[in-house]
Amino acid sequence: DIQMTQSPSTLSASVGDRVTITCRASQSISSWLAWYQQKPGKAPKLLISQASTLESGVPSRFSGSGSGTEFTVTISSLQPDDFATYYCQQYKTYSRTFGQGTRVEIK
Amino acid sequence: QVQLQESGPGLVRPSGTLSLTCAVSGGSLDGTNWWVWARQPPGKGLEWIGEINHTGSTNYNPSLKNRVIISVDNSKNQFSLSLTSVTAADTAVYYCARDPGRAVAVIWGQGTMVTVSS
Repeated sequence: DIQMTQSPSTLSASVGDRVTITCRASQSISSWLAWYQQKPGKAPKLLISQASTLESGVPSRFSGSGSGTEFTVTISSLQPDDFATYYCQQYKTYSRTFGQGTRVEIK
Repeated sequence: QVQLQESGPGLVRPSGTLSLTCAVSGGSLDGTNWWVWARQPPGKGLEWIGEINHTGSTNYNPSLKNRVIISVDNSKNQFSLSLTSVTAADTAVYYCARDPGRAVAVIWGQGTMVTVSS
């Protein structure tokens, strides 16, 4: 089964900071990777699919990159609305495994 | 705008069967859509359970496959989850979602908490 590992688990940052979250797959998943944002008590929101394709309505400060086993999501200038937990998910196989999440908190 | 709403018992006895329904409004179940179930234990990460399309074709997470059945009722515009032999480890918020044929969940329900306890 494909394991997804995110780092860091928690990230403390300030408004305006550039932040990067990394997601590593235990085997190659090509570009079959999505990123979701989740706020407390809410359902996840799809931000990025195919590793780098921004969903409609998602601010351009979000960007995704990578292929194979290593992926990143970057927020170019952190905004107050961005403090949340971020999950990567592979969709190469039907386990559709998620990473354990990265919590972005206010520094 | 498609909306999804989960419903079902909030408490299930151990060894029992968890049954949830997702009502879809603002659109039909057909087309290229796949209809997804996922879950999130309290304070933990997300787990994909499985999916179904309007013809009844299904795909399941191999780790849950022997306990899960997902079904569809096109006449009621809803789909359902059945999880058998539940234990406390199945306690979670259960979400339904829509995948427009891209293998990602684009629209999610608000989620429903299910607790497994005697």
